[in-house]
Amino acid sequence: QQQVKQSPQSLIVQKGGISIINCAYENTAFDYFPWYQQFPGKGPALLIAIRPDVSEKKEGRFTISFNKSAKQFSLHIMDSQPGDSATYFCAASMGPGNQFYFGTGTSLTVIP
Amino acid sequence: DAGVTQSPTHLIKTRGQQVTLRCSPKSGHDTVSWYQQALGQGPQFIFQYYEEEERQRGNFPDRFSGHQFPNYSSELNVNALLLGDSALYLCASTQWGRSGFRGANVLTFGAGSRLTVL
Repeated sequence: QQQVKQSPQSLIVQKGGISIINCAYENTAFDYFPWYQQFPGKGPALLIAIRPDVSEKKEGRFTISFNKSAKQFSLHIMDSQPGDSATYFCAASMGPGNQFYFGTGTSLTVIP
Repeated sequence: DAGVTQSPTHLIKTRGQQVTLRCSPKSGHDTVSWYQQALGQGPQFIFQYYEEEERQRGNFPDRFSGHQFPNYSSELNVNALLLGDSALYLCASTQWGRSGFRGANVLTFGAGSRLTVL
């Protein structure tokens, strides 16, 4: 059973546009929600993360929106650049140091 | 400051064989987790080691086993390989003991070991 459901599977965006990736979860015990970025041949790298006590977190061009009542969170990439082309994974965990449950990934392509 | 290093980067095995993958955590990290990433899928948690003991385990059979050494490096062993074990195996390290909870959620991944089972 997929603990974290991610959509879309793939996304094509024009340079300068906004990329939006969505995730949903069921387990209300999750208390940490990171997004990871993975380039081909590399391991995932932490991009940005949020805890459920805030509804939004912004770091540069990357923003997480969190809706606790709907059990959904999303990643927004503003002013998308070709260098943002990668696979993005949402994840969730419960408690410090515990296992992460990853979504199935979104392949983002930013067209110049 | 070296990040997480894994070896080998690629390997090919046949069904029924055994494989050992190795991981050196990021400097200062004391906890190692292993994840399996099948093609086109997200990473799936295998197990986690801290203080040389398995601390948590995901939904993987006993064919998957591991070890952590006093220098915090770790090995993942898979016995009786199946075709379905073909995947990218990722090692991730975190800092638990020294900083308590503060660093424990920040996973640093290695580039992985790509296993192909024929």
